[in-house]
Amino acid sequence: DAGITQSPRHKVTETGTPVTLRCHQTENHRYMYWYRQDPGHGLRLIHYSYGVKDTDKGEVSDGYSVSRSKTEDFLLTLESATSSQTSVYFCAISESPEGEQFFGPGTRLTVL
Amino acid sequence: QKEVEQNSGPLSVPEGAIASLNCTYSDRGSQSFFWYRQYSGKSPELIMSIYSNGDKEDGRFTAQLNKASQYVSLLIRDSQPSDSATYLCAVNPLRAGGGADGLTFGKGTHLIIQP
Repeated sequence: DAGITQSPRHKVTETGTPVTLRCHQTENHRYMYWYRQDPGHGLRLIHYSYGVKDTDKGEVSDGYSVSRSKTEDFLLTLESATSSQTSVYFCAISESPEGEQFFGPGTRLTVL
Repeated sequence: QKEVEQNSGPLSVPEGAIASLNCTYSDRGSQSFFWYRQYSGKSPELIMSIYSNGDKEDGRFTAQLNKASQYVSLLIRDSQPSDSATYLCAVNPLRAGGGADGLTFGKGTHLIIQP
């Protein structure tokens, strides 16, 4: 994987608790993305970032927030996790908005 | 709403044959197109990108783009059992005012290569 790590790789949590997922890259790419993948829905964009402190919403952003305080890290926070947020979360990076995106290994999140 | 459509399959192809995967998209302003391969329990792996009409070849893979028909395809020659996976078509729509804001994915086609 193109210098992308995600942590944790697996997490089980309870409804109503806050959860933060981390994406870390060593490629110095400007653009970073968070997707979720669910059976029957495919991959859907949650939030993306086009630079430090520059973020925007994607298709399924409700219930999620993000932060990017430095180029290499992009955090996804579930303020109060719900069972509908049980999913596999992927981070991706790209050098340009129209260019190729490379994915991290993913985080499997289960909300009980 | 921007949509990317793929036949979910499964598509079963004999080993050594050509596998043909198809994808249509709704946003006529889309400017870049990608094929990803995803093994069960793994992350999507980029195998082809294409930006202009025509064919692009890379080893056993050929991507074809027809913007007028809003159609993208992937051909896999000399299919191997290791090609068995889900193939995701992804499109990068053009955002109003320029730029782009993430990929829109199809739900994937499950490909099975039969030895």
